Amino acid sequence: GESVGLHLPTLSVQEGDNSIINCAYSNSASDYFIWYKQESGKGPQFIIDIRSNMDKRQGQRVTVLLNKTVKHLSLQIAATQPGDSAVYFCAGLYGQNFVFGPGTRLSVLP
Amino acid sequence: NAGVTQTPKFRILKIGQSMTLQCAQDMNHNYMYWYRQDPGMGLKLIYYSVGAGITDKGEVPNGYNVSRSTTEDFPLRLELAAPSQTSVYFCASSIGQVRDQYFGPGTRLTVT
Repeated sequence: GESVGLHLPTLSVQEGDNSIINCAYSNSASDYFIWYKQESGKGPQFIIDIRSNMDKRQGQRVTVLLNKTVKHLSLQIAATQPGDSAVYFCAGLYGQNFVFGPGTRLSVLP
Repeated sequence: NAGVTQTPKFRILKIGQSMTLQCAQDMNHNYMYWYRQDPGMGLKLIYYSVGAGITDKGEVPNGYNVSRSTTEDFPLRLELAAPSQTSVYFCASSIGQVRDQYFGPGTRLTVT
């Protein structure tokens, strides 16, 4: 079946630095990917999405890059802030369903 | 708008008991979903619905049932609870299939 996974379960960055969170997927059949942020004790919250006909999309302080050749997705957070500390999930839409990766916990150091 | 609401927030069940997890959304979304999240893992889809009266199985449906009699509500029923169903359950909704999902705050369920 399809799988979506992240390269690192944890990532620590200094406040103000840029963060890069990576995700790999096994099946190129997905047309749509989403990044979610999950704070402790809360449900996932949408950050940014990208369709497979794009290779880059920018939001406020966040950029998603999609490399279909190597089946790789990344989330870049500019000027990381303490409020960015959370678990980040990528998810790919396969057929009717989203397949979620296991998540990367981002810790922002003062 | 309240968004997606879930009740209860926490529940402890004994093995073999049954319960219903409630989910409601006030955004008039057609699509609704139930996921479970085990510690350190991503979300796995249990059931989903594309509209009132229509439901379908996700990746891990065994031990669960759903119904969708209205656009707003999508309850998840656990029959004969087992320890393997200890998890955090999230309900979500979206306006369409290829769109972002709005998640509720979750229900933490422990089966002992």
